[in-house]
Amino acid sequence: AQKVTQAQTEISVVEKEDVTLDCVYETRDTTYYLFWYKQPPSGELVFLIRRNSFDEQNEISGRYSWNFQKSTSSFNFTITASQVVDSAVYFCALRPGANSKLTFGKGITLSVRP
Amino acid sequence: DGGITQSPKYLFRKEGQNVTLSCEQNLNHDAMYWYRQDPGQGLRLIYYSQIVNDFQKGDIAEGYSVSREKKESFPLTVTSAQKNPTAFYLCASSIAGLGSTDTQYFGPGTRLTVL
Repeated sequence: AQKVTQAQTEISVVEKEDVTLDCVYETRDTTYYLFWYKQPPSGELVFLIRRNSFDEQNEISGRYSWNFQKSTSSFNFTITASQVVDSAVYFCALRPGANSKLTFGKGITLSVRP
Repeated sequence: DGGITQSPKYLFRKEGQNVTLSCEQNLNHDAMYWYRQDPGQGLRLIYYSQIVNDFQKGDIAEGYSVSREKKESFPLTVTSAQKNPTAFYLCASSIAGLGSTDTQYFGPGTRLTVL
């Protein structure tokens, strides 16, 4: 069975602080894909990143960075110098193998205060 | 602009009524999906379709029905058999279906409230 755990439910920071959103996953497949989505107050899920299980290189995109560690089954997301526009719910998701459905975590609500 | 549209944004329904949520995409994607989101919960898959005129049940299909007569359209009907239909419904699409690893892209959602 597949499982995604986002243990943090709500995080509140002040603008310009760095914040890390944790994601821990479980799967028995050796090939799998991990995703992060952002859901702003408008409701639409916005795709942020996809990572496959064979690529453990960290990724940076502007103020966003992702740390993938197979040894701890984690795929954490860090926002550097947070901004009010980063306020949203963030979902981590797992797709094990090539013939499986997306399994979502319960999401983390991030509030960035001015 | 290419994308996924859902209508209406807000929908109110009386108990015992069926209601249909619209989802249209102009991305030329083969696969389309319907998810349900409840407060504090992740997304749960209701139905998905990998090709026109074909669809499969997801994890919570009871009380819902779908059709896929056109590649760009995947409407979801919430029937009176759905015991707790009040939720946020999200439609998604991807280039290919579950047999691929393509990224799913989402529409803006429809918030359904049963009065």
